Amino acid sequence: GAVVSQHPSRVICKSGTSVKIECRSLDFQATTMFWYRQFPKQSLMLMATSNEGSKATYEQGVEKDKFLINHASLTLSTLTVTSAHPEDSSFYICSATGQGANYEQYFGPGTRLTVT
Amino acid sequence: QQQVKQSPQSLIVQKGGISIINCAYENTAFDYFPWYQQFPGKGPALLIAIRPDVSEKKEGRFTISFNKSAKQFSLHIMDSQPGDSATYFCAASLKWGSRLTFGEGTQLTVNP
Repeated sequence: GAVVSQHPSRVICKSGTSVKIECRSLDFQATTMFWYRQFPKQSLMLMATSNEGSKATYEQGVEKDKFLINHASLTLSTLTVTSAHPEDSSFYICSATGQGANYEQYFGPGTRLTVT
Repeated sequence: QQQVKQSPQSLIVQKGGISIINCAYENTAFDYFPWYQQFPGKGPALLIAIRPDVSEKKEGRFTISFNKSAKQFSLHIMDSQPGDSATYFCAASLKWGSRLTFGEGTQLTVNP
């Protein structure tokens, strides 16, 4: 299957600071990327959908000014959590799809964010 | 309309047994039904997927059974192994490559 990477795998930041998470498709061009968050022992919750070169579409209840998503190239999308607070601590996972992946959705390994 | 209901929440199976996880959906426009396997601290991995024009798909020990009229689909894991112990999520989307709606997840434990 296709490979999606995320960086960093873990990050700890202080309350009020911003943190950026990168999502890369390594062996295919990702026309669409998705960002999810997952709390312990819960399912994945879609935060936003981004298409290369377009503004992200956010799910209801997700603050677009707090969770900035950029999909500037066919292999890279970034999620920036601005002015992070402890309640933003979660497991953030991206996924990517495109013609090179047969339009299957492949997930990255996730980023564990802890806000102190 | 967009919900996918998954059961059971947890499942314990003996090694060599059959694990069965069920999902039900409401939106008849869903056209793609994947299953994902997730280990602790890792992202979900695509296991197997089916489209509604077939009733069954098998890949190795994993089989999806699909009942379009009942709006239900299930994952069967044959000859379950301790290494299969993970959380399994069913999902559905309106088309290949579009946003997924996930079930609540099933934590599978296979005892040796």
